[in-house]
Amino acid sequence: GAGVSQSPRYKVAKRGQDVALRCDPISGHVSLFWYQQALGQGPEFLTYFQNEAQLDKSGLPSDRFFAERPEGSVSTLKIQRTQQEDSAVYLCASSVKAGYTEAFFGQGTRLTVV
Amino acid sequence: SQQGEEDPQALSIQEGENATMNCSYKTSINNLQWYRQNSGRGLVHLILIRSNEREKHSGRLRVTLDTSKKSSSLLITASRAADTASYFCATATSGNTGKLIFGQGTTLQVKP
Repeated sequence: GAGVSQSPRYKVAKRGQDVALRCDPISGHVSLFWYQQALGQGPEFLTYFQNEAQLDKSGLPSDRFFAERPEGSVSTLKIQRTQQEDSAVYLCASSVKAGYTEAFFGQGTRLTVV
Repeated sequence: SQQGEEDPQALSIQEGENATMNCSYKTSINNLQWYRQNSGRGLVHLILIRSNEREKHSGRLRVTLDTSKKSSSLLITASRAADTASYFCATATSGNTGKLIFGQGTTLQVKP
């Protein structure tokens, strides 16, 4: 596709449920990022992939968060045993190469944990 | 944690006026970028300024960077109602992977 695609756009989960959020980056983009954006705040970095390698996961808030990109294209962010504080918009971004180029963002998945 | 602060947090102006937003950051950077976010949407890249640049223009946008003060400003000239959005600065630090550290954003409302 022409841009970064995320699904689902909205997800409501009961506390304790597991969720999986999908990101389809722009074709050919090497770098893929996940960010978490709480209401009224700027995005906060979660994790970074270069192709299929997860090179930085320093922003993942707990071991309940797990991300993968097994074939170097589509990525999935999984949150286990969701808690209310996980409610946020999860943004995926991709860029052509590692380093300092502009990032293209998807529209995000709004997760609400009830 | 976020890199720094943006001010003002909210700005309301009339169509045709100029809007200025400021961003401060804490660490050395390789570049600084500005993004726009419309309500409920993803972020759109506006402009990138490298650490060795002081000013950059793109259409109605003008960005300045003062690395000695660790600050940047975004000026939108002749604003339009369609400019209503949240604006975020984001920094990329030297030697990293392209990970961005965002400010908390400025919400701009342009009244027709």
